[in-house]
Amino acid sequence: GAGVSQTPSNKVTEKGKYVELRCDPISGHTALYWYRQSLGQGPEFLIYFQGTGAADDSGLPNDRFFAVRPEGSVSTLKIQRTERGDSAVYLCASSPEASGFYEQYFGPGTRLTVT
Amino acid sequence: AQSVAQPEDQVNVAEGNPLTVKCTYSVSGNPYLFWYVQYPNRGLQFLLKYITGDNLVKGSYGFEAEFNKSQTSFHLKKPSALVSDSALYFCAVRDSGGGFKTIFGAGTRLFVKA
Repeated sequence: GAGVSQTPSNKVTEKGKYVELRCDPISGHTALYWYRQSLGQGPEFLIYFQGTGAADDSGLPNDRFFAVRPEGSVSTLKIQRTERGDSAVYLCASSPEASGFYEQYFGPGTRLTVT
Repeated sequence: AQSVAQPEDQVNVAEGNPLTVKCTYSVSGNPYLFWYVQYPNRGLQFLLKYITGDNLVKGSYGFEAEFNKSQTSFHLKKPSALVSDSALYFCAVRDSGGGFKTIFGAGTRLFVKA
């Protein structure tokens, strides 16, 4: 079946602009995660959704970052007033449910470059 | 607080030799431990996990890992390396006591020379 998909694959934007990054999880997966991966680093947790609600948003770096999952499937990560330090690969992952023993299925990522 | 350490940025092995990629962790409760692999231009892929039970877990592509609670380690191993195993490997931990965060190590790049 289809895996996790993310669009766009690449996004170049100017400092101060607003961007939206989209994630389509595996059908039926209720848990959805967003991570940020900078060069030479492992994925850094941003936010976790169980269904439609954000169960843990403690990884969002500041209030310029926001994410939604209105129907419990597709999720959008929104970044306002982008800064050059936001440049990274943004990864989305899903798993069948929240219990910690399920592995996560990752999408290919969106490479965000802020100029 | 949860943390993961992968002490080696890079591991070099010859094809056919055994390989080990090291990982140590810190959690307040019992750990759920994972290994993921990232090939060039591809997303992270799950390799194996330890949840409970037998300390030696086997995963995809002939990889295995041993959970050692006293040393808080979860080293990844393979008896005979292949050139195609060359990739970036990430260890990850989640606290079974609650919370939803999975913490990843910085990654170890494995080079297998023919």
